[in-house]
Amino acid sequence: GQNIDQPTEMTATEGAIVQINCTYQTSGFNGLFWYQQHAGEAPTFLSYNVLDGLEEKGRFSSFLSRSKGYSYLLLKELQMKDSASYLCAVREGNYQLIWGAGTKLIIKP
Amino acid sequence: ETGVTQTPRHLVMGMTNKKSLKCEQHLGHNAMYWYKQSAKKPLELMFVYSLEERVENNSVPSRFSPECPNSSHLFLHLHTLQPEDSALYLCASSQDEGAGANVLTFGAGSRLTVL
Repeated sequence: GQNIDQPTEMTATEGAIVQINCTYQTSGFNGLFWYQQHAGEAPTFLSYNVLDGLEEKGRFSSFLSRSKGYSYLLLKELQMKDSASYLCAVREGNYQLIWGAGTKLIIKP
Repeated sequence: ETGVTQTPRHLVMGMTNKKSLKCEQHLGHNAMYWYKQSAKKPLELMFVYSLEERVENNSVPSRFSPECPNSSHLFLHLHTLQPEDSALYLCASSQDEGAGANVLTFGAGSRLTVL
């Protein structure tokens, strides 16, 4: 079956580093997305990986291993504004995205 | 206005009402989507339109009826809904080709409560 797993909730300290994992089992794979969603707001695009390896974008990095069905989002130098839900999604076809339920990240001072 | 705009932001309706959700995008994208977001559950794709043609229809009950009159506007018509349809309905748009293809830009959502 199709499944995407990510932790329900994580807590980290301001200024620290946190890694949010995502594992997937899907019938097809055309790339993996990470989105950020603040409470009451729209999800916003963070990163896209289609090849294995690490993509770095400022304080955020995303890693993909297709053979392991695994990705992670790495957030460095955490700020209070990083408190949000982080959604992992796998693109199967042209328009079909399979989504995880999201990881709620809580940042403490 | 920029981005993706959804109206209304909040809607309360009875099970016998008929209402519509509206979505408008000002990004020049050629694909538009309706998603349902329920608490602690993954986003559920409901409908996708590309160049005003419906390209995905994910086993959605007929009480939800989409309409895409042009590439900038998308509607979701609602009738005889059930309480379990209460959720956040998100509209999104994307470009089919080129840099950023299929990266979704979401609206802020319409929070629907069915009594």
